[in-house]
Amino acid sequence: AQKVTQAQTEISVVEKEDVTLDCVYETRDTTYYLFWYKQPPSGELVFLIRRNSFDEQNEISGRYSWNFQKSTSSFNFTITASQVVDSAVYFCALSGGSGATNKLIFGTGTLLAVQP
Amino acid sequence: KAGVTQTPRYLIKTRGQQVTLSCSPISGHRSVSWYQQTPGQGLQFLFEYFSETQRNKGNFPGRFSGRQFSNSRSEMNVSTLELGDSALYLCASRLRPQETQYFGPGTRLLVL
Repeated sequence: AQKVTQAQTEISVVEKEDVTLDCVYETRDTTYYLFWYKQPPSGELVFLIRRNSFDEQNEISGRYSWNFQKSTSSFNFTITASQVVDSAVYFCALSGGSGATNKLIFGTGTLLAVQP
Repeated sequence: KAGVTQTPRYLIKTRGQQVTLSCSPISGHRSVSWYQQTPGQGLQFLFEYFSETQRNKGNFPGRFSGRQFSNSRSEMNVSTLELGDSALYLCASRLRPQETQYFGPGTRLLVL
């Protein structure tokens, strides 16, 4: 069965602090995809990044970086020098390679509050 | 390119009624998925349509149904509404299965 665990329910930081959001996944698929989405109070899920199971290269996009480690089944997300606008709920999600598993399985989300 | 649009944005219904939600995908996208988000159950997959055919279905009762039209627009219907159906219903579209899904703003349904 596929599962995504985000153990951190809420994180509160002060602006300019670095923060890491943890994500651990379970799957039996050999090909799978990992995602991070941001959900601001408006409700829309905003796509941030997608990673394929065969590509463990870490990625940096501005203040955002992602660390994918198959050995520990983790796909962690770090925000450097956090800003108030980063306040939102962040979801990690997993999708299988084909068929019935090719749907998004979401973690429970991490609420990030960045205080000024 | 315009994003995914959903109508209506807010809806209030009473128990026993039925409701239809609409989703227009990003232009060119042929796959539409629906998700339900509640505080208790989180984000859960309802179903996905591709080229007017349902290709995947989540674990929801038969009261939840959907369809997709030839222009890729999709509707989902919930019959005999229950209080527990109160949720944010999110629609997502993608070019084809296995591509990244892009979400709309959602429809907030309140069942009284």
